[in-house]
Amino acid sequence: QVQLQQWGAGLLKPSETLSLTCAVYGGSFSGYYWSWIRQPPGKGLEWIGEINHSGSTNYNPSLKSRVTISVDTSKNQFSLKLSSVTAADTAVYYCARRTTVTREVYYYYYMDVWGKGTTVTVSS
Amino acid sequence: DIQLTQSPSFLSASVGDRVTITCRASQGISSYLAWYQQKPGKAPKLLIYAASTLQSGVPSRFSGSGSGTEFTLTISSLQPEDFATYYCQQLNSYPFTFGPGTKVDIK
Repeated sequence: QVQLQQWGAGLLKPSETLSLTCAVYGGSFSGYYWSWIRQPPGKGLEWIGEINHSGSTNYNPSLKSRVTISVDTSKNQFSLKLSSVTAADTAVYYCARRTTVTREVYYYYYMDVWGKGTTVTVSS
Repeated sequence: DIQLTQSPSFLSASVGDRVTITCRASQGISSYLAWYQQKPGKAPKLLIYAASTLQSGVPSRFSGSGSGTEFTLTISSLQPEDFATYYCQQLNSYPFTFGPGTKVDIK
């Protein structure tokens, strides 16, 4: 049973850098992409980006200039850094596993394992 | 970016009701769509992927259909534990995007 445990600073001041880490327990680390998603208070979900065990990344262009996702395969962990935060970055941040299933020549993706979420508040 | 819209944004239903939620994509996404259920204070839970494949462990009262630009999530007989917010997500192209959500409330 794969579990994701996430942690990081919950209160930041404007212009600081958000830093979160997610550890993968109980399953394979390779063969998947590892994602970050966020949810502002009372709002919907926003995909931030993802990384695989080799360090290959994909980012949301809306955040790309401020986002860095990295991986530490020795610890089965991946991390999110978001620079120059503002109040608009206040949200619950989730880590998640993106799984790929192959059917014939098609690849289907889905996010099947999620962390519990970390509330990050940006306030002066 | 591919935009997803959901309708309705809110629905009030009773236990035992059949509930249908629609998700529309701004361009064709084949069957690269997933549905999630989220309860307050909890992470989303995967219900369906590839538009119509039920995730392991999810009750069979949940079903998904559609392809291209229009998709539906159906709950055949609403149970008390199904009152939640439901999101669709396209995984056809980056950036992966979510619909705005449909909140299912008790009538």
